[in-house]
Amino acid sequence: QVQLVESGGGVVQPGRSLRLPCAASGFTFSSHAMHWVRQSPGKGLEWVSIISYDGVYKYYADSVKGRFTISRDNSKNTLYLQMDSLRSEDTAVYFCARDRGTGSSSVWYFDLWGRGTLVTVSS
Amino acid sequence: QSALTQPASVSGSPGQSITISCTGTSSDVGGYNFVSWYQQHPGKAPELMIYEVSNRPSGVSDRFSGSKSGNTASLTISGLQTDDEGDYYCTSYTTSSTLIFGGGTKLTVL
Repeated sequence: QVQLVESGGGVVQPGRSLRLPCAASGFTFSSHAMHWVRQSPGKGLEWVSIISYDGVYKYYADSVKGRFTISRDNSKNTLYLQMDSLRSEDTAVYFCARDRGTGSSSVWYFDLWGRGTLVTVSS
Repeated sequence: QSALTQPASVSGSPGQSITISCTGTSSDVGGYNFVSWYQQHPGKAPELMIYEVSNRPSGVSDRFSGSKSGNTASLTISGLQTDDEGDYYCTSYTTSSTLIFGGGTKLTVL
């Protein structure tokens, strides 16, 4: 079954850290760039980060640059988002999403999404 | 970077056509054909409806079409159906090697 499953969400205090895994199955994970996208409660979608199929290239939204780190383990078919120095404005559902392109040809749109995991930053 | 500009809401009656605009700059919408559109129903993950300005993924109805002129992209839905209700988001690749979303448009089918 082709799917993405996020986990690791929960309630965390401001300034603390959290790591979100996203497990991929049913497709060749190592062939696709992967993204994180978030959605604050009742708000719109916000792109967070991309990692290339081989993990060499990574880009971030200005709102998370220097605090969040995207990574992947192609041997485990898993994408990660390490979130440090969390702020209340990071409260959101975090989705992982597959880039529709393969190999070095990232196309910056998503043809497969996970269901998301909720991160709440609150004291 | 600010979000792409979309109308907050649009509405139409069953069978009618509506168009949702998505306005950016020459650094995003106007500079690339990596414009895509997503539909999202409450509590669900978004679904790709249009990619690279005007292409439809397999399985998406041909009632959905996309276009672009200058810094503004548009999504048109013809023959509106009640199932089309939901939130619609545009996205664009940017010169900073990032992706930017529109603020979202709530479609109501009256």
